[in-house]
Amino acid sequence: QKEVEQDPGPLSVPEGAIVSLNCTYSNSAFQYFMWYRQYSRKGPELLMYTYSSGNKEDGRFTAQVDKSSKYISLFIRDSQPSDSATYLCAMSLDNYGQNFVFGPGTRLSVLP
Amino acid sequence: EPEVTQTPSHQVTQMGQEVILRCVPISNHLYFYWYRQILGQKVEFLVSFYNNEISEKSEIFDDQFSVERPDGSNFTLKIRSTKLEDSAMYFCASRPSIQGYYEQYFGPGTRLTVT
Repeated sequence: QKEVEQDPGPLSVPEGAIVSLNCTYSNSAFQYFMWYRQYSRKGPELLMYTYSSGNKEDGRFTAQVDKSSKYISLFIRDSQPSDSATYLCAMSLDNYGQNFVFGPGTRLSVLP
Repeated sequence: EPEVTQTPSHQVTQMGQEVILRCVPISNHLYFYWYRQILGQKVEFLVSFYNNEISEKSEIFDDQFSVERPDGSNFTLKIRSTKLEDSAMYFCASRPSIQGYYEQYFGPGTRLTVT
C-alpha cells in the first residue's frame, strides 16, 4: 500500500464549478497536512496547511482533514481557468516539516 | 517578493559525470531542502539541512549525493557519478527559522537529463 494516494485525474470541470480533491494516507502518525499547487514545469507553491483534524478556509479554498479516516480534502469554490494545475497533497510527522511525503498529484483543468 | 532561485534551469550531462545543482534560498531562511521529481511521478524528499549539517535524509540520498552551503547564500546538491535514473527535476526549498512554521518555499527547479 502506497503511503499517500491521490486520484491522478485528469479532472476537467467548467469554470465556476466546485472542485473536490482528495488524498488518503496509511500512516496514522502524520500530523501536518499541506496542499500545494504546481503549474507545469514550476516548483510547488503552498496553498493551505492544517494541523490534525478539522477544516480551514482561505478565500476560495477549504482544506479538510479527517484523521480517523486518514483522508484529506481540498475544495475550490468558483473555480477559474487559472486554477488549472496539478494539486499535490503533502504531509509531515512533525512540526518542523523536515520530511514531507507528497502524494502523486491530481491534474485539474478548469475550462472557460 | 523574495523567492528561491535555482541554476541552471536545465542541465544535460553524460552518465558517470559529476553535476552540481545550485540554489539560492530566501535570505533570512535557515532550513534548506532538496527534493526530486522524476517525470510523471511524485515529489520525493532527498535531504534537509540546518546549521551547516544534514538533519535528515531519505533512502534516495545515498553516497553519490552530497550537499553543501559553501557561503552565506548558496546551497548546492552534488551528484558524484550520475546515472540514467538520476534524470529528474530537482527542487530546492527553504523555510524560515520560526518554530512551528513549516511553510517551505520551493524554487523553480533544475531539470537534470543524464544521457
